[in-house]
Amino acid sequence: EPEVTQTPSHQVTQMGQEVILRCVPISNHLYFYWYRQILGQKVEFLVSFYNNEISEKSEIFDDQFSVERPDGSNFTLKIRSTKLEDSAMYFCASRKSTGQATEQYFGPGTRLTVT
Amino acid sequence: QKEVEQNSGPLSVPEGAIASLNCTYSDRGSQSFFWYRQYSGKSPELIMFIYSNGDKEDGRFTAQLNKASQYVSLLIRDSQPSDSATYLCAVKGSYDKVIFGPGTSLSVIP
Repeated sequence: EPEVTQTPSHQVTQMGQEVILRCVPISNHLYFYWYRQILGQKVEFLVSFYNNEISEKSEIFDDQFSVERPDGSNFTLKIRSTKLEDSAMYFCASRKSTGQATEQYFGPGTRLTVT
Repeated sequence: QKEVEQNSGPLSVPEGAIASLNCTYSDRGSQSFFWYRQYSGKSPELIMFIYSNGDKEDGRFTAQLNKASQYVSLLIRDSQPSDSATYLCAVKGSYDKVIFGPGTSLSVIP
């Protein structure tokens, strides 16, 4: 069964550094998402992406964040200058189509630790 | 602020019993409703989705939706120890954005 994959599984970085988290969505999916989950807290929506454009973003997704689909398979989240409070699990998700079939499938996540 | 609320638990049920998980949401324009299961340290795993009022059954799981009351529930029949996890209710409105509740921790006691 096709799955969303994410790399790396764990990323440690120093405050102020740039990080890029990578995702390979399910191959016939058209909509892509990033979520984060701070330890012990709820899953929070960051951004949705369709047809090479951001379709929706949350208040968390400020100018420090960007997303890109650099080729036909990868979907990346870049954090330009990491802060301690960016430490969290970052999940990529994808879904297939428009209309009512809106269920999203999650990747295994990247644990980001900012020191 | 659009919110999704769940009892945090923990909810403890004996093996073989029915576990009942509840969720309320504030956005009347919400269109799609999801239940995810999350084991500790893992990603959310989709177990049920429902779009219309009423019940939807899939194996041991039944999702119930009442849009007038802005209420979604998940019933797990014949609960197993492997069902012990946090259950996340998630709601999609008219925009392409899914809001998650804080989750209910379920513990199935052998």
